[in-house]
Amino acid sequence: SQKIEQNSEALNIQEGKTATLTCNYTNYSPAYLQWYRQDPGRGPVFLLLIRENEKEKRKERLKVTFDTTLKQSLFHITASQPADSATYLCALDFGDDKIIFGKGTRLHILP
Amino acid sequence: GAVVSQHPSWVICKSGTSVKIECRSLDFQATTMFWYRQFPKQSLMLMATSNEGSKATYEQGVEKDKFLINHASLTLSTLTVTSAHPEDSSFYICSARHLRGSEKLFFGSGTQLSVL
Repeated sequence: SQKIEQNSEALNIQEGKTATLTCNYTNYSPAYLQWYRQDPGRGPVFLLLIRENEKEKRKERLKVTFDTTLKQSLFHITASQPADSATYLCALDFGDDKIIFGKGTRLHILP
Repeated sequence: GAVVSQHPSWVICKSGTSVKIECRSLDFQATTMFWYRQFPKQSLMLMATSNEGSKATYEQGVEKDKFLINHASLTLSTLTVTSAHPEDSSFYICSARHLRGSEKLFFGSGTQLSVL
């Protein structure tokens, strides 16, 4: 069966440390993998996109890796801050208007 | 950046009534808009893909007669929940892709629907 899983429902990280979130999928072959941030009661906001032929992408304190052999993406936030607390969603994009979202990981950065 | 405006932010209605939710792309044209629903602590579930000037494509299990989608222009799509029931209570979110083929989605702020 086809699945997309994010490593944990919730993750607590001490401020200043690096937060690492995992997205695994099975039986899919996405063209892109995207990461979004969602705050309570709000719509998701786009963060980063990585293509199937890219291994790593960076944007300020954010880094995404994409391993199509392992079918896994890692999302890192370095020097984490309490303001980074939110739910982070990974999404598989097949390049044909179909995008499938994971359930998300609720990240709490502890001051 | 591109902005997608969604209204209303929240709505409370009686069982049996219909509710219309609007999704507008404010500063870009979107040939394709998407409608999702999200239950607490759950993933975004795609309900339908809406293309300007044509009928929406519904995901399996989504009743097209209950969730009416109209995409009358390149900047506006509407979702009407007809004869709403308490089980339709959920968070509904729209998103849009830029006409020029950007891969990323721009999301509305969502509509919390509560059916009494």
